[in-house]
Amino acid sequence: SQQGEEDPQALSIQEGENATMNCSYKTSINNLQWYRQNSGRGLVHLILIRSNEREKHSGRLRVTLDTSKKSSSLLITASRAADTASYFCATDVPYNTDKLIFGTGTRLQVFP
Amino acid sequence: GAGVSQTPSNKVTEKGKYVELRCDPISGHTALYWYRQSLGQGPEFLIYFQGTGAADDSGLPNDRFFAVRPEGSVSTLKIQRTERGDSAVYLCASSPTGANYGYTFGSGTRLTVV
Repeated sequence: SQQGEEDPQALSIQEGENATMNCSYKTSINNLQWYRQNSGRGLVHLILIRSNEREKHSGRLRVTLDTSKKSSSLLITASRAADTASYFCATDVPYNTDKLIFGTGTRLQVFP
Repeated sequence: GAGVSQTPSNKVTEKGKYVELRCDPISGHTALYWYRQSLGQGPEFLIYFQGTGAADDSGLPNDRFFAVRPEGSVSTLKIQRTERGDSAVYLCASSPTGANYGYTFGSGTRLTVV
């Protein structure tokens, strides 16, 4: 079963624009992570934010976390064609073994 | 190794056959995970190993699926009597200790059952 749901399911933008993706989840968490996937193969870890953090930055990425609303957002600033990929959020499941549950993903297309 | 290695990268098999998928995690990572991903979906959890033992196999869809990690490093996912519905990309990931760290994923094995 999926813990998280990303919104929108698909997003198309021009190079240089910002891209915002949202993730909602259902249960309490210790941390939330974002991953990128190119061409339906291996996922790449982007950023991890813990439940006691509200915002985190990594290069052109900004992640926010609102545990009261059980939601997170990923902002990619000044997007590039190379950012074209699917983006997934994943949450751990406290008190239910040590695994991540992934959301359904947002497919981002950045046009040159 | 430098990354997580999965072999084969592609596997085509006939319905009813037995297949083995191999995962070689990053050296020293105690946690190893198997996920399955269908087209347009997110990765679906199958099984999690901590060391040699399966800490959580609640995601295995039925008893045709089995996985081992006998020495706490390489893992093999075994599927008996394959069905067309088993067709998917099977992803392996490892982590230093567990879900409180980011996972490193392999490139996956694309399994096609014809």
